[in-house]
Amino acid sequence: KNEVEQSPQNLTAQEGEFITINCSYSVGISALHWLQQHPGGGIVSLFMLSSGKKKHGRLIATINIQEKHSSLHITASHPRDSAVYICAVGDGNEKLTFGTGTRLTIIP
Amino acid sequence: DAGITQSPRHKVTETGTPVTLRCHQTENHRYMYWYRQDPGHGLRLIHYSYGVKDTDKGEVSDGYSVSRSKTEDFLLTLESATSSQTSVYFCAISPTGGPNHFGPGTRLTVL
Repeated sequence: KNEVEQSPQNLTAQEGEFITINCSYSVGISALHWLQQHPGGGIVSLFMLSSGKKKHGRLIATINIQEKHSSLHITASHPRDSAVYICAVGDGNEKLTFGTGTRLTIIP
Repeated sequence: DAGITQSPRHKVTETGTPVTLRCHQTENHRYMYWYRQDPGHGLRLIHYSYGVKDTDKGEVSDGYSVSRSKTEDFLLTLESATSSQTSVYFCAISPTGGPNHFGPGTRLTVL
């Protein structure tokens, strides 16, 4: 079973700061997912990636397959980015292993 | 937003009673998933479906059963609810595998 670790567990930053959230896993995978869970509980899928980098707006996700590591970056952070960010990995897409999440708080 | 709903959104029940949670989608997606989310744990897969009447177990399937008789509906049943099944349950859908749209969640409390 893959072990997924996210760091930090909690992160507080000022509005405008560059944010980095890390995800490490123990076993080789075919895909990694980043999800965002809003304070109200709703979950949104942000990225699915198997190599390289993806960008959507102010969000950038990277993955290093050799090092078994992924990062999620947020540029020009805003209070609306406050949420729990969840990493999930799998060797197929059906049975993913999820991290416990990083709680991000952006202070105006 | 993808058309995915869950019902009920909240439920309180007693130990030993049967409970059925419903996930309904209007996207005609092939894959549907049931997860539970508990403090200190990541989302954990209970069961998933890859087509009508095609289902498979996840990592925490004990005590749960599922059925999918139509593309749009995926039912999760707790035959005899226990307090350990108190949790928030999320349904998710995907056209190609890997959950990419999540329902709003159902908060279940078993007393």
